[in-house]
Amino acid sequence: QVQLQESGPRLVKPSQTLSLTCTVSGGSISSGTSYWSWIRQPAGKGLEYIGRIYSSGNTNYNPSLKSRVTISTDTSKNQFSLKLRSVTAADTAVYYCARNAGGTYYFDYWGQGTLVTVSS
Amino acid sequence: QSALTQPPSASGSPGQSVTISCSGTSSDVGGYNYVSWYQQHPGKAPKLMIYEVTKRPSGVPDRFSGSKSGNTASLTVSGLQAEDEADYYCSSYAGSNTFDVVFGGGTKVTVL
Repeated sequence: QVQLQESGPRLVKPSQTLSLTCTVSGGSISSGTSYWSWIRQPAGKGLEYIGRIYSSGNTNYNPSLKSRVTISTDTSKNQFSLKLRSVTAADTAVYYCARNAGGTYYFDYWGQGTLVTVSS
Repeated sequence: QSALTQPPSASGSPGQSVTISCSGTSSDVGGYNYVSWYQQHPGKAPKLMIYEVTKRPSGVPDRFSGSKSGNTASLTVSGLQAEDEADYYCSSYAGSNTFDVVFGGGTKVTVL
């Protein structure tokens, strides 16, 4: 059973960088054909795809966020991370990490989500 | 504004059926058989209910079914139960050169 857990600062100041880590258990992020994704959800709103990283290290980002986003992996810790630069209040949301199984485009395992607030 | 269009709300009495639509374009819903549906209860992470238009993950009741016609996908919940009351989101692959994965704005299903 794959499990994902987000961690990182819950409060970030405007113009700074939001950094989150997703720790994966029950499966290796460096093996197989899984993709590892980040998705966010502002309070009371819908889901927004941020981007993903492949086991090969290749990445894909939402064009609307691409200029500010970096997703990377730390295979030694079985983790993948999200960095979102130059944040504003509009980036306040619950951030989820999730897995796309077997090179697919659906998310079969999700973390519980973590609320990140952008405020001074 | 979400890339895929869902009705904001839907409702039904216990035992009845409710169908939620998800409208896209030929570049996403209509172009690929990669539509998925997620159920989200308040304060919880989304849960995969349907993938690749019609497939159900292990453990999802067969009361949940998916379909697609042209640029519109649908999720039907038959035999509504109280625990089905939740938000439902559709998602579709939209091509590697564009948004890649897009979501609908969500539909709140109320069991009357």
